[in-house]
Amino acid sequence: GENVEQHPSTLSVQEGDSAVIKCTYSDSASNYFPWYKQELGKRPQLIIDIRSNVGEKKDQRIAVTLNKTAKHFSLHITETQPEDSAVYFCAASNDAGTASKLTFGTGTRLQVTL
Amino acid sequence: DTEVTQTPKHLVMGMTNKKSLKCEQHMGHRAMYWYKQKAKKPPELMFVYSYEKLSINESVPSRFSPECPNSSLLNLHLHALQPEDSALYLCASSQARDRANTGELFFGEGSRLTVL
Repeated sequence: GENVEQHPSTLSVQEGDSAVIKCTYSDSASNYFPWYKQELGKRPQLIIDIRSNVGEKKDQRIAVTLNKTAKHFSLHITETQPEDSAVYFCAASNDAGTASKLTFGTGTRLQVTL
Repeated sequence: DTEVTQTPKHLVMGMTNKKSLKCEQHMGHRAMYWYKQKAKKPPELMFVYSYEKLSINESVPSRFSPECPNSSLLNLHLHALQPEDSALYLCASSQARDRANTGELFFGEGSRLTVL
C-alpha cells in the first residue's frame, strides 16, 4: 500500500516569513495529492490539492509543487499569519474506485509567532 | 448546506456498553467514511461506503460495526470496546469520484470517545 512521509513534524516561523512542508510518497500509481489543515480541536479542512498532471498550483498565499519523478510534493505558505498556526497533513491517493482512499502523512505542527 | 454533522460530540462508555455514533450530510455526497484519530496523529481510515455499500473495511475489529441506512446517514455501532479505542472518530463525505471531481473530503467535527 501507499506510504506517505512528512517533514518536519514541527515548524516555528515568525509572522511574515515563509513556511515549507515536504512529503514523499511510495506508490507511483498515486495521482491526487491534497493538503488538509486542522486547527486545534477542529475538523480537518482541505486547503489545496494537486493532480499528477500538474507540477504546481497556487491559491493566494498557498502553493503546492509536485515532482512525480522523485515522488515528492511540498506545501509553501508565504507571508505567514498567526491564523496559519495549525497541524497540516499531506495525503496521497489514486483514482481507483469511486471513493477516496487517502493515505495521510504524519502531520506538521506549524506555529506562527508574532 | 456544506456541513457534516456528527453526534454525540462527546461519549464516555464502559467496556460492556453498546453505543452508536451518528453522522449526517445533505450535500448529495455518495461516499461516506469513518476515520479514527488519536492525539497528535493523522486520521486513520476505518470504513468507506460508496453508494450505500461498504466498499472498504481497513481490517477494523468487529467491535466496530458500520451502517449506512441511506445516502445521508452513516452510523458506527460500538460494542465491547477497549480503553485503547478512545479517540476522536471523524465522519467524512465526498462526491463519488470521477474525472471532474477531486474527491475532496468534508469532515465532521468528530465524536470524542472515551472508553473506561
